[in-house]
Amino acid sequence: SQQGEEDPQALSIQEGENATMNCSYKTSINNLQWYRQNSGRGLVHLILIRSNEREKHSGRLRVTLDTSKKSSSLLITASRAADTASYFCATDADSGAGSYQLTFGKGTKLSVIP
Amino acid sequence: DTGVSQNPRHKITKRGQNVTFRCDPISEHNRLYWYRQTLGQGPEFLTYFQNEAQLEKSRLLSDRFSAERPKGSFSTLEIQRTEQGDSAMYLCASSLVLAGTTDTQYFGPGTRLTVL
Repeated sequence: SQQGEEDPQALSIQEGENATMNCSYKTSINNLQWYRQNSGRGLVHLILIRSNEREKHSGRLRVTLDTSKKSSSLLITASRAADTASYFCATDADSGAGSYQLTFGKGTKLSVIP
Repeated sequence: DTGVSQNPRHKITKRGQNVTFRCDPISEHNRLYWYRQTLGQGPEFLTYFQNEAQLEKSRLLSDRFSAERPKGSFSTLEIQRTEQGDSAMYLCASSLVLAGTTDTQYFGPGTRLTVL
């Protein structure tokens, strides 16, 4: 089952604009990770935010985490055509067997128009 | 650092055949995970290894699926008697877990399986 739900499912913006994607989840987590996936390719790790952190930055990326609302957002500033991809949030919670498996949402498909 | 590698990248097979995929994790990582991703969905957990021990399997992993990680290094995922429903991208990830704390999972490029 998929715990995370990204919103919106698809987003189309002009190059240079900012893109904001949201993620909601259901159960308590250890950390939350955002990944990017270009069409038909593997997942590229973008950023990890731990449950005791509220905000994290990495280059043009800004991630926030609100554990009281069980939600996270990913902001990409000054978008580029190369940012066109699907973006997934993944929560890392112990399933009870110590696995810390990642549970992914369905992703947000971002299109950046040159 | 060569990252996580997977072979083959693509596999086309006929229904009923057996297939085997290989994953080479980042060398110092003790955890290795297998996920499956179908079109339009996020990856779904299949199984994981702590060193050479397989510690958890998802309900998605039917008895036609078997995974191994001999000597705690590379891992193989075998699917016997493939079915069309097995067509998907199979992703491998590795991470370093110490003293119960978790860290980033790094993914390989995946093996895309097509069952005709």
